[in-house]
Amino acid sequence: GIQVEQSPPDLILQEGANSTLRCNFSDSVNNLQWFHQNPWGQLINLFYIPSGTKQNGRLSATTVATERYSLLYISSSQTTDSGVYFCAVVGMDSNYQLIWGAGTKLIIKP
Amino acid sequence: DSGVTQTPKHLITATGQRVTLRCSPRSGDLSVYWYQQSLDQGLQFLIQYYNGEERAKGNILERFSAQQFPDLHSELNLSSLELGDSALYFCASSGAGSYNEQFFGPGTRLTVL
Repeated sequence: GIQVEQSPPDLILQEGANSTLRCNFSDSVNNLQWFHQNPWGQLINLFYIPSGTKQNGRLSATTVATERYSLLYISSSQTTDSGVYFCAVVGMDSNYQLIWGAGTKLIIKP
Repeated sequence: DSGVTQTPKHLITATGQRVTLRCSPRSGDLSVYWYQQSLDQGLQFLIQYYNGEERAKGNILERFSAQQFPDLHSELNLSSLELGDSALYFCASSGAGSYNEQFFGPGTRLTVL
């Protein structure tokens, strides 16, 4: 089945810094989503982005489907951005289920 | 707030017991998905229902079962619980299209002692 790899696994930054999180996937996808899991365990939808580029405030994402990767950009980081960022995909043969990467754990220091 | 509700938020029980987790999807969503997040396995898909019918099955144990009712809410039943079943269980819902965005509930944290 499809494999999803995220990098880096851990990232520690000072408040105000910018960061780029990467998601590689091994096959074509029908759906790609980015999530933020906050310290309380909630999964928050960030982007639904099987292809193209989207922006939402300080966050933006780009998926290059032909090269099988997606990037999540966080600018001017705030402490509330801390948590784990997950990339999840629905592959062509994944029966609608999201296949998850292992996540990037982001810590923003004040 | 995603619009997906899950109850209870926390559940503590003993090995061998049975529990039921409940999920109400966003208004208008016909698909409901169940996922398990454990420390050692990460996030894994369990099962999907679409308008009352089972649509896809993932790594769901035989001790677990689910159903979706006519009002579209769903229940996940976990029986003969083991210590390893301790996890965060998420419900998600999506619209009528096959690959629509999935929206997640707040989760139910299950602890088996």
